[in-house]
Amino acid sequence: GNSVTQMEGPVTLSEEAFLTINCTYTATGYPSLFWYVQYPGEGLQLLLKATKADDKGSNKGFEATYRKETTSFHLEKGSVQVSDSAVYFCALQTSGTYKYIFGTGTRLKVLA
Amino acid sequence: DAEITQSPRHKITETGRQVTLACHQTWNHNNMFWYRQDLGHGLRLIHYSYGVQDTNKGEVSDGYSVSRSNTEDLPLTLESAASSQTSVYFCASSEDVPGLGKLFFGSGTQLSVL
Repeated sequence: GNSVTQMEGPVTLSEEAFLTINCTYTATGYPSLFWYVQYPGEGLQLLLKATKADDKGSNKGFEATYRKETTSFHLEKGSVQVSDSAVYFCALQTSGTYKYIFGTGTRLKVLA
Repeated sequence: DAEITQSPRHKITETGRQVTLACHQTWNHNNMFWYRQDLGHGLRLIHYSYGVQDTNKGEVSDGYSVSRSNTEDLPLTLESAASSQTSVYFCASSEDVPGLGKLFFGSGTQLSVL
């Protein structure tokens, strides 16, 4: 079946460090891939998405590239800020459906 | 601005009681979802609806029910609350674009079953 696997957290970084959060997926067909972010006490909100192979999603300095050959969608940011501290969820949505499948989430803590 | 609201934000109840969590959206979305969030499990789908009078079971539906009598609301009912249902519950709605629809989340309900 379809699934999403994320790296275990928490991830603790110093401000201005480089961030990578790994995400791999298993899916039939050609899914769309997403990263959602959850700030403390809030619901999830869409960070970025990619809908086909080799697409790069980007937003707020974050980037992720849809790699079909490695079934991956790793999240990266060149220089993290304290305000990026949150839980990050990788997710997929298979074509022709409205349902999402989420990973378990990765907590990021950025220290000043 | 359109939004999705959940109530209450926090709820404490006793084992065996019936509890209903409210979800109301003004996006006019047909698709609505209920998730629970637990440490180590991420988000798990409880029930979902693709329109009025349509309801479907998700991966963890036992002990929960939903009804959809209008576009705006999808209340979640715990028939007889159990301690295993202590969790944070999120309601979401999505755009009607298969395979591409962005999810809009409420702020969540923290439910404690004692």
